Amino acid sequence: QVQLVQSGAEVKKPGASVKVSCKTSGYTFTSNGINWVRQAPGQGLEWMGWISAYNGHTNYAQKLQGRVTLTRDTSTSTAYMDLRSLRSDDTAVYYCARGSSFSPDAFDIWGQGTMVTVSS
Amino acid sequence: QSALTQPASVSGSPGQSITISCTGTSNDVGGYNYVSWYQQHPGKAPKLMIYDVTTRPSGVSNRFSGSKSGNTASLTISGLQAEDEADYYCSSYTADTTRVFGGGTRLTVL
Repeated sequence: QVQLVQSGAEVKKPGASVKVSCKTSGYTFTSNGINWVRQAPGQGLEWMGWISAYNGHTNYAQKLQGRVTLTRDTSTSTAYMDLRSLRSDDTAVYYCARGSSFSPDAFDIWGQGTMVTVSS
Repeated sequence: QSALTQPASVSGSPGQSITISCTGTSNDVGGYNYVSWYQQHPGKAPKLMIYDVTTRPSGVSNRFSGSKSGNTASLTISGLQAEDEADYYCSSYTADTTRVFGGGTRLTVL
């Protein structure tokens, strides 16, 4: 079955960087884009950006432009989210989510989430 | 890009119907038929319930339906069940090719 399995929880100091991985299986990786969504504790969902698994094209939320980089490795069917200059308000659960084959703006399969804690 | 506007909470009794609204602008909800709805239980990842305003993915109960009028999209859940108690989020494509979520609505089944 289709699965997105994310890397484990991270604890980082302010100013550091974090890289979260999202390993996919059960489908042709290059057929669907991957979105990244985060959720601060007790808060709502925030779309961070999208990467085409086919050609690596990206699109980022304006708020995170310059601090986030999305990449992918087609040889391992894995997507990555790199967030730099971490602040305390970056503390959140980070999810990867596949863009649906039926509608790219529908996120049909989600990873289990990765908790990133930013604390001094 | 501002978050779409959803009521913070709604409630209903088992068997009843409820509707959750999601208000945006002509640059997102009103301009495109790319509104999705997600259900999230505590501590779990979101689950896609509706996409392209009205379409249910395979496996989602037909008690869930979506609609849109102008800049406001709506999710209706009929025949409320205890398992429907969760947070619900709308999402829309936007004019600057990004995506935006609503603030979320907590559904309580009384």
